[in-house]
Amino acid sequence: QQPVQSPQAVILREGEDAVINCSSSKALYSVHWYRQKHGEAPVFLMILLKGGEQKGHEKISASFNEKKQQSSLYLTASQLSYSGTYFCGTRPLGQGFSFIFGKGTRLLVKP
Amino acid sequence: DVKVTQSSRYLVKRTGEKVFLECVQDMDHENMFWYRQDPGLGLRLIYFSYDVKMKEKGDIPEGYSVSREKKERFSLILESASTNQTSMYLCASSSTGYNEKLFFGSGTQLSVL
Repeated sequence: QQPVQSPQAVILREGEDAVINCSSSKALYSVHWYRQKHGEAPVFLMILLKGGEQKGHEKISASFNEKKQQSSLYLTASQLSYSGTYFCGTRPLGQGFSFIFGKGTRLLVKP
Repeated sequence: DVKVTQSSRYLVKRTGEKVFLECVQDMDHENMFWYRQDPGLGLRLIYFSYDVKMKEKGDIPEGYSVSREKKERFSLILESASTNQTSMYLCASSSTGYNEKLFFGSGTQLSVL
């Protein structure tokens, strides 16, 4: 029941772009994106609610296609500080406040 | 800023011991969660609670129980610890409504020997 993230890992050079995808088999109320650096707790990036919205945070943005239960995270002009593991988190419709995460995507940005 | 505090950063226990992991949040959040994090498996939901004394099973509740006697505190209990419960345990809390983002504690690395 975990959402499926792809790719599992990606290596970038500074300034390059990346897209991380998240797909759920369940209808969703919301999708969240979090970033976790090594040895630290996950930190919230953004939330997307059903309604097909797209949001941005500096050079990181995301979209949510509620019909397909898919979300994508877009990282543009990547910086070294973007390195970490990115998790999508989903709140399925009809399951109260249950909040399920994917397995994560490891992102490494090299100079 | 929201603070979610987990009582121990590292814990070493013996097989068969009863283990308590404590989590306290200071922002009056309704929802609290327990996850375990293992390499390659991401964050897996063990239990969550949406109110005092209310609890719901997550994806992997077997071998665990929880307690929420006060709104700010959510405890994870391993009744009889086993080696396959060696993991990083993360607690999180969130409010209800539009701004439902999760705030995580720093985690407890539990080793069961």
